[in-house]
Amino acid sequence: QVQLVQSGAEVKKPGASVKVSCKASGYTFISYSMNWVRQAPGQRLEWLGWINAGKGNTKYSQKLQGRVTITRDTSASTAYMELSSLRFEDTGVYYCARDHPRGFDPWGQGTLVTVSS
Amino acid sequence: QSVLTQPPSVSGAPGQRVTISCTGSSSNIGAGYDVRWYQQLPGTAPQLLIYDINNRPSGVPDRFSGSKSGTSASLAITGLQAEDEADYYCQSYDSSLSGVVFGGGTKLTVL
Repeated sequence: QVQLVQSGAEVKKPGASVKVSCKASGYTFISYSMNWVRQAPGQRLEWLGWINAGKGNTKYSQKLQGRVTITRDTSASTAYMELSSLRFEDTGVYYCARDHPRGFDPWGQGTLVTVSS
Repeated sequence: QSVLTQPPSVSGAPGQRVTISCTGSSSNIGAGYDVRWYQQLPGTAPQLLIYDINNRPSGVPDRFSGSKSGTSASLAITGLQAEDEADYYCQSYDSSLSGVVFGGGTKLTVL
C-alpha cells in the first residue's frame, strides 16, 4: 500500500536548522510531486512548498520563501524539507503529503519539531 | 488570518445533518480551482475526504458530500456518528499567493 514514513521528532535551538525526511513506498516515487505542510499547536494547516519528484523543480510558499528548502533523493524514494533560521513560532508538526490528482493523499505520520532555548 | 474562512466550530446530535462552509474569493474558489476537504481525527494526520468539489475517495462513506457556489464551498455530513468528531479543513489554490491555501479548520462536536 502507498505509505509515507517520516523521520523522528526534533528539538532545536532558535537560529538553527532542521531537516525532516519522508520515505515513500508502494508507488513510483518520481511519478508524483510531494508537498510539505505544517501545523502549529492547535492551529490550522499551512502549506510550505512542493517538489516535483521526477524533475526536482520546487515551489515554496511566499511566507517561507528563503528559509525552506525541499529536496529529494530518487534512489532512496525520499523527500526532504529543511527549514533554517528557526524561530519559536516554527514549533509544530510537519507533514509530507503526496500530490495526487485528487488531492494530498496520503499524508505522512507527521514529525514534531520543537524550537526551544 | 486564513485566505479561506471556515466557522471555528459546529455541533450536532447523532443522526443529524451538519454543514461546514468555506468562504474564499475570486482568486481561489471563485477562479475555479479545485476544492478539497480533509478530515483530521484527534492526534492523527489529515486524510483526504472530498475532492473535485463532490467526489469521495474509496472508503469514505456517502454520508459526506461537498458542494460549491461562487466563491464558497460546503461540506455536508448526514447521519452524524460519534466517529465523525474531528477537525475539518477545506483546501484550494490561490492565484494571488501562487500557492496552496487551507481554511482555518472547523471542529465538529457530536453531542
